[in-house]
Amino acid sequence: QVTLKESGPGILQPSQTLSLTCTFSGFSLSTYGMGVGWIRQPSGKGLEWLANIWWDDDKYYNPSLKNRLTISKDTSNNQAFLKITNVDTADTATYYCARIEGILRIISWFAYWGQGTLVTVSS
Amino acid sequence: DTVLTQSPALAVSPGERVTISCKASESVSTRMHWYQQKPGQQPKLLIYKASNLASGVPARFSGSGSGTDFTLTIDPVEADDTATYFCQQSWNGDTFGAGTKLELK
Repeated sequence: QVTLKESGPGILQPSQTLSLTCTFSGFSLSTYGMGVGWIRQPSGKGLEWLANIWWDDDKYYNPSLKNRLTISKDTSNNQAFLKITNVDTADTATYYCARIEGILRIISWFAYWGQGTLVTVSS
Repeated sequence: DTVLTQSPALAVSPGERVTISCKASESVSTRMHWYQQKPGQQPKLLIYKASNLASGVPARFSGSGSGTDFTLTIDPVEADDTATYFCQQSWNGDTFGAGTKLELK
């Protein structure tokens, strides 16, 4: 059974760095073809893809946020991470991690999602 | 960026057939996927690669299309289908449509 769970600080101040953790089970990010992505959703709004990381440590970022994002993984502990630097109120959202399925990086979709973690940026 | 355009909202009666559209700003082949999100819940995969039903999803749901025009069909609609439906393309990075809110009359 595949499960994912996000964790984060809850609230942080503008200009700080947001650190998010995705702890998962039912698969390994060291397995060929596996990937995990991060997606966020401001309250009442749509979904915004942020970044993907693959089993071979290949990484892809949303071009509009690339300079602020860093995705990484710890395969030993079944975790993936996302850091967002210099946050402001526009980064307030629910952040989801999801397991990617598909044909390697050629075509992929988000098959399993965590429940999300709400992050509020406020002074 | 590949922009996905969805109608904002639809209202249908239970038992009817509903089609939800998603138009891409450029061809994405069949790299289009659909998700259902109910209030307070995470998104759930419904359809992948334009027309493939995800595991455990009722056969009332179906997807079609290729290139720039895609459709998610629910037939017949049930009360439990009240949700927002998002399309996602994976041809050029990953982007989502703004979502279509489905309400039942």
